This record gives sequence, C-alpha cells and structure tokens, in this order.
Amino acid sequence: GQQLNQSPQSMFIQEGEDVSMNCTSSSIFNTWLWYKQDPGEGPVLLIALYKAGELTSNGRLTAQFGITRKDSFLNISASIPSDVGIYFCAGQLTSGTYKYIFGTGTRLKVLA
Amino acid sequence: DVKVTQSSRYLVKRTGEKVFLECVQDMDHENMFWYRQDPGLGLRLIYFSYDVKMKEKGDIPEGYSVSREKKERFSLILESASTNQTSMYLCASSSNFLLGWQSRTDTQYFGPGTRLTVL
Repeated sequence: GQQLNQSPQSMFIQEGEDVSMNCTSSSIFNTWLWYKQDPGEGPVLLIALYKAGELTSNGRLTAQFGITRKDSFLNISASIPSDVGIYFCAGQLTSGTYKYIFGTGTRLKVLA
Repeated sequence: DVKVTQSSRYLVKRTGEKVFLECVQDMDHENMFWYRQDPGLGLRLIYFSYDVKMKEKGDIPEGYSVSREKKERFSLILESASTNQTSMYLCASSSNFLLGWQSRTDTQYFGPGTRLTVL
C-alpha cells in the first residue's frame, strides 16, 4: 500500500533551537495533518492543511502543504522541553477515501 | 471540543479470550476508525466505519471484527486474542464536509488509546 516517508526518525536538539521535519510520498494527497503524541496517550491534532501551498501556523508551529501535493513539512520554532514527543504526519489521498495514511513518526527530544 | 473516549486505558487478557474494546465520540461524527500502533510500524488501520452498521476493512483486519450499532459507538472485537495482538489500540472519529462540490473527510480526532497485553 501507499507509504509516507517521514524524516528524521528521531532528533535531539537543544532548548531554544528550531526544528524541522517532513513527510514525502509518491502519491498525491488532498489533505495533510500533523499530530503530536505524548507517551501513553493518543495523538493530538496540531495543524490541518487542505490546499496545495497552504502555510498554517499554530503558535510556534508552522506547517506547509507542498506545491506538488506529495509532501508537507512541520517547523517548530524556539523549542521548549514540553515539545518532547512523537510527531506524526498523515495524508488523505485524492481518491476520496475516508482513510488517512500515517507516517512512522519523528521522535523529538529536547535537551534543556 | 471533540471528545473521543475509550473504555479502558490498560487491559490484560489471556490467549484465546474474547476481547471487546469500546470507543465513544460525542461530536456526531459519521466516520470512526480503529488503529493499532506498534513500535517502528506506525499507525495501521484495522477497520473503519462511515455510517451506522457500515464497516470496511482496513489494512490489517485479520483476527478482528467491529460493530457499529449506534453512531457514537464503535467497538473492536478480538474473537480469540493472541499474543501478537498485544499492542496500543487507538480509536478515531471524523466528520464529512463539502469543499465546493467535493465531499471531503475532516481531520481525525483520536482517543487516549488502550494498551492491550495478551499473555
């Protein structure tokens, strides 16, 4: 089936640094979502993107829907310790299914 | 706020037992989903439902069944639990909306998860 390549798989950064992660695919998507998951909890929606080229912010988080509709990226500015967690992208195919395909996640660790 | 709740946060069952995982959403969403999450494999879709009494297989339906008798409730059933079904199970729900002439599915909202251990 379709896959979403999410990178990096994990990253250690210093508090205050900016973080960037992305998802790419060979398929075209009509929606991109970004989630954060804390240990032992369900994923929480951070940002939803519905149109190619769309750039959306949520506090220190900014995400973009790639022009080709095959990729998306998430930036976190001035990271803080509570940014620790796993970040997932999810894409909905243009075939009009109800399903989303999820990336394998980026595990973020912030060093104080 | 959308609220998706799952009946148990932690569950321990024995091989061969029948297991019910319940999910309830309070936002009148049409669509509901069951995923399992395993390290290194991400979220994999087991089953989803786009209407009451309607269900469709996801990517890994083997060993599972589902029931949706009411719009707000979606149950996952393990008919005979096995050790390889030890996992984190996540329920999600979403609504539909019109974007121009297209029917689109809105974002998925997740429950807190049920960590199932099968001994």
